[in-house]
Amino acid sequence: EAQVTQNPRYLITVTGKKLTVTCSQNMNHEYMSWYRQDPGLGLRQIYYSMNVEVTDKGDVPEGYKVSRKEKRNFPLILESPSPNQTSLYFCASSLWEGYQPQHFGDGTRLSIL
Amino acid sequence: AQSVAQPEDQVNVAEGNPLTVKCTYSVSGNPYLFWYVQYPNRGLQFLLKYITGDNLVKGSYGFEAEFNKSQTSFHLKKPSALVSDSALYFCAVSPGYNTDKLIFGTGTRLQVFP
Repeated sequence: EAQVTQNPRYLITVTGKKLTVTCSQNMNHEYMSWYRQDPGLGLRQIYYSMNVEVTDKGDVPEGYKVSRKEKRNFPLILESPSPNQTSLYFCASSLWEGYQPQHFGDGTRLSIL
Repeated sequence: AQSVAQPEDQVNVAEGNPLTVKCTYSVSGNPYLFWYVQYPNRGLQFLLKYITGDNLVKGSYGFEAEFNKSQTSFHLKKPSALVSDSALYFCAVSPGYNTDKLIFGTGTRLQVFP
């Protein structure tokens, strides 16, 4: 089954404690992206990757890091989480052309206390 | 600046009635337009897209959308709403071919009443 898998689905942690949210896709997609969803703001792009070892900032990259060492994986790293990073996070993947629809994971709800 | 607007936070409709969820965009060039649906505790699911050609596009679950270039709109429609259509709907626009950008609207919650 074609899917994007995120882990964990839920996480409550404290300010400053490094965390990683994993994302894996089994569709051999070149393009992967991370979004955060906040009420009234829709989805905002954090980082994206056009292929292995190619990443770039989205609209709200501050406080986040990513890496793309393998085509299937695109982890999101919060080196020193802060309460304003409490949000619902989605990973997505697609073929690289702009007209291809994105496939989304089921989301990770992060609470930073 | 490129943007997508969904002017209604919530749309309420009775089951069996037609529904419309509005979307307007501001993007230069020839954009690609998408609708996604989000059910509780799930990620977004692709519904339909407009790339080029016929202004009326059909998608999943009986939904369709009409592209209107002069009004820069891409409204989502369904002739007869179902209670199971209740969800959060997002309009999104990509500025064009080979772009890394997908711009989302703020979402519209559709509530279908029995």
